[in-house]
Amino acid sequence: DAGVTQSPTHLIKTRGQQVTLRCSPKSGHDTVSWYQQALGQGPQFIFQYYEEEERQRGNFPDRFSGHQFPNYSSELNVNALLLGDSALYLCASSLGGGGNEQYFGPGTRLTVT
Amino acid sequence: KQEVTQIPAALSVPEGENLVLNCSFTDSAIYNLQWFRQDPGKGLTSLLLIQSSQREQTSGRLNASLDKSSGRSTLYIAASQPGDSATYLCAVIGAGNMLTFGGGTRLMVKP
Repeated sequence: DAGVTQSPTHLIKTRGQQVTLRCSPKSGHDTVSWYQQALGQGPQFIFQYYEEEERQRGNFPDRFSGHQFPNYSSELNVNALLLGDSALYLCASSLGGGGNEQYFGPGTRLTVT
Repeated sequence: KQEVTQIPAALSVPEGENLVLNCSFTDSAIYNLQWFRQDPGKGLTSLLLIQSSQREQTSGRLNASLDKSSGRSTLYIAASQPGDSATYLCAVIGAGNMLTFGGGTRLMVKP
């Protein structure tokens, strides 16, 4: 049973550039959530996708956008990168809503120089 | 706005000790609470999920309790081992199925 997968593993970008991160959920899951984790801190919720629509959004600017595909995989896009966007980006999948257990992928380490 | 706090922020213990990690949250209207383990630079591994109607969950040497009314949870680790060294994160799930995390407790178990 494949777990949550993310690509790429590491990424280095320059300020002002744009980046796309990808996530495939655990088999059977239909909901994907994205989190940003700065060094030494707990993860912060960015947004959640269900049925190809953004269902919830945390306190992140519009530079952060996403998409969910019919096969439930998801992309996170960040435009006009800032140094402060450097972080570990985590994807989590779950089944439906209602507080079900969330399973995390290995993350993508983004460094903005 | 839900806020989650974990105490202590760091903990160093000798191998074999039993230990308790603490988690508190400000809004008791939660669906459930989840404990995770994170190794350096890695993703999160789910350890235990406690439904809001439950008081505790056990998995091997781990036992997590939940007191929703007081906004507290504890993670008890029995007979700690060097392999338990990691950061432990507590997160609550509220409306909208989003996780709100604490800052974590960095655990070091010395041989």
